[in-house]
Amino acid sequence: AQTVTQSQPEMSVQEAETVTLSCTYDTSESNYYLFWYKQPPSRQMILVIRQEAYKQQNATENRFSVNFQKAAKSFSLKISDSQLGDTAMYFCAFMKHGRYGGSQGNLIFGKGTKLSVKP
Amino acid sequence: DAMVIQNPRYQVTQFGKPVTLSCSQTLNHNVMYWYQQKSSQAPKLLFHYYDKDFNNEADTPDNFQSRRPNTSFCFLDIRSPGLGDAAMYLCATSRDRAGGTDTQYFGPGTRLTVL
Repeated sequence: AQTVTQSQPEMSVQEAETVTLSCTYDTSESNYYLFWYKQPPSRQMILVIRQEAYKQQNATENRFSVNFQKAAKSFSLKISDSQLGDTAMYFCAFMKHGRYGGSQGNLIFGKGTKLSVKP
Repeated sequence: DAMVIQNPRYQVTQFGKPVTLSCSQTLNHNVMYWYQQKSSQAPKLLFHYYDKDFNNEADTPDNFQSRRPNTSFCFLDIRSPGLGDAAMYLCATSRDRAGGTDTQYFGPGTRLTVL
């Protein structure tokens, strides 16, 4: 079974600074997806960034980038130039790759990291 | 804009009184999911539909049922809500592609209160 661990329940960062959120996972699969989702207070969960395990290049989306270390099973999220609107719960999630069937579509979430951006 | 819509956003029900939560999508995705998220916890998958094929998670209580009358709509029925069922219920959709299931897109959620 797959597990996702986020070891930082809460973090804070000053506006305009950089912060890194940690995520590790455990799986015996060789092909899978990893995601970071953001859930602002009382608002919708939205996708921040996605990484396909077979791609060596780290995914980036504007101020958001990941450090994907497949051998170490590590998938950290770096937020550069933090903004007040980045305040949210951040969830790391894992999904098996492959033709749909059974649990391939099941997202396995970590417990989340609550990020506060301070002015 | 294409999106995932959940109604109502807030639902209050009484202990034991059946309740139905609604999800609709304009993304034309063939897969729809229902998650339960309790306070300060990660979302937990209850079940999902792949087209009309229903897939229940092994640990989802029988109290929870789902219907998908067409591609756009999916309902979550809680037959006899207990106090422990108070939670945020999230609907998500994805498009299955050959070689793997695509990214899941979430609705805003319905917060259920059980009195």
